[in-house]
Amino acid sequence: DTAVSQTPKYLVTQMGNDKSIKCEQNLGHDTMYWYKQDSKKFLKIMFSYNNKELIINETVPNRFSPKSPDKAHLNLHINSLELGDSAVYFCASSQVSGSGYTFGSGTRLTVV
Amino acid sequence: GNSVTQMEGPVTLSEEAFLTINCTYTATGYPSLFWYVQYPGEGLQLLLKATKADDKGSNKGFEATYRKETTSFHLEKGSVQVSDSAVYFCALSNTGNQFYFGTGTSLTVIP
Repeated sequence: DTAVSQTPKYLVTQMGNDKSIKCEQNLGHDTMYWYKQDSKKFLKIMFSYNNKELIINETVPNRFSPKSPDKAHLNLHINSLELGDSAVYFCASSQVSGSGYTFGSGTRLTVV
Repeated sequence: GNSVTQMEGPVTLSEEAFLTINCTYTATGYPSLFWYVQYPGEGLQLLLKATKADDKGSNKGFEATYRKETTSFHLEKGSVQVSDSAVYFCALSNTGNQFYFGTGTSLTVIP
């Protein structure tokens, strides 16, 4: 069973479109995250939810909106996609401080 | 504040060579330290961790020791294999369970 699963794995879309990426974890973790990884492999945290409550909201454009319907799911919706949004987006989850993250396999978003 | 600095890559080694990837950190309090590995086309996987000073994390022949006096957590492996080719990330976790990642070091091992 996949611990943290993201869909889709690849997403190619045109500028200006709206798209969503879904994430689900079956580990019973309380906290979920979205990270963006650029072409140089640099990881930047975007959002963090704890038990459906937003606890980290880094400086990202407000075109990005996370939604957590329950503590096992954290979706990312992106409006009006731009070329600069092209990246790999990773979902992750964790339980307690110091226990480490479990990452999903990533969603490669390409905006053309 | 909290931050992680790791050596820049890319690093290219021959098979069976010794590997060191340097990682130093700045943190308030007593963070936990981690190394994650990202194989091509995959997500990050936890490689090893240490939760207190002088702890040694180890896995798959890799080791790292939590050194509070030098604020370091260098990754080492005595004999690398082609299958170790990946990007390696040093990270720390402090209060609130937020992670701080280094910039990643790309390793290529050639036969």
